[in-house]
Amino acid sequence: GGIITQTPKFLIGQEGQKLTLKCQQNFNHDTMYWYRQDSGKGLRLIYYSITENDLQKGDLSEGYDASREKKSSFSLTVTSAQKNEMAVFLCASSIVGSQDTQYFGPGTRLLVL
Amino acid sequence: GDKVKQSPSALSLQEGTNSALRCNFSIAATTVQWFLQNPRGSLMNLFYLVPGTKENGRLKSAFDSKESYSTLHIRDAQLEDSGTYFCAAGRGSALGRLHFGAGTQLIVIP
Repeated sequence: GGIITQTPKFLIGQEGQKLTLKCQQNFNHDTMYWYRQDSGKGLRLIYYSITENDLQKGDLSEGYDASREKKSSFSLTVTSAQKNEMAVFLCASSIVGSQDTQYFGPGTRLLVL
Repeated sequence: GDKVKQSPSALSLQEGTNSALRCNFSIAATTVQWFLQNPRGSLMNLFYLVPGTKENGRLKSAFDSKESYSTLHIRDAQLEDSGTYFCAAGRGSALGRLHFGAGTQLIVIP
C-alpha cells in the first residue's frame, strides 16, 4: 500500500499573494494530478504530469503553475490569489495515466481573505 | 458540452433499499472509474472498469463502451453509503487524464 500526503491541510492567504501547495506520494506512481473542487461541485483538472519534469495543462491551468521536481512530489502554485476565493485542491496519482486506478490525497483547503 | 454526464444529480434513499446511478459519455471512453467522496471530503476509489462488470459487496458496476454509459448499483443502502459519487472516463489514446462527471449526491436516511 501507499499514501498521498498534501501540505498544508489548510491555507489562508491574502489577495494577490503567491501560494504554494505540495503533494507527496510513496506509491512510486508515474502520473500525478492536481484538481480543484469548489463547494458542492465536481473536480476540475488543473495540471498533470506523466513523469518527472513533465507538465501537461488541464482544463483550468490559467492562474496556476506546477512543478514535478521528482517522481514522488508534485507542487502547485496559485500565482495570484483572488479575493474571497474558497476551494479544495486535491492531488492524485496513478501508475500509468488513465489506464490505472487513481488515488487521491486528503486535500488542501484554501481561503483567501 | 459536458463530456461525462451523471444522473441523478441528487438522490435520497431509505436505508435498506436499492438504487442505480448512471454516467453517459460523449467521448470514446475506454475505461471508467467510480469514486465516493465522503462528507469529510476524502475521495475513495470504488471501481476501475474496462468494458464489463465488477462487483464488490453491495456495490456492482457495469461499463458498456459501445453504448457509452456506465452504471453503479447500490444494494441494501446503508447510512455509511452517504456521500457524493463521481464517475470518471479515461481514453486509451489520451496521455493520462480522466474526465470527471459532476457527481451524484446521495443521502441515505434511516
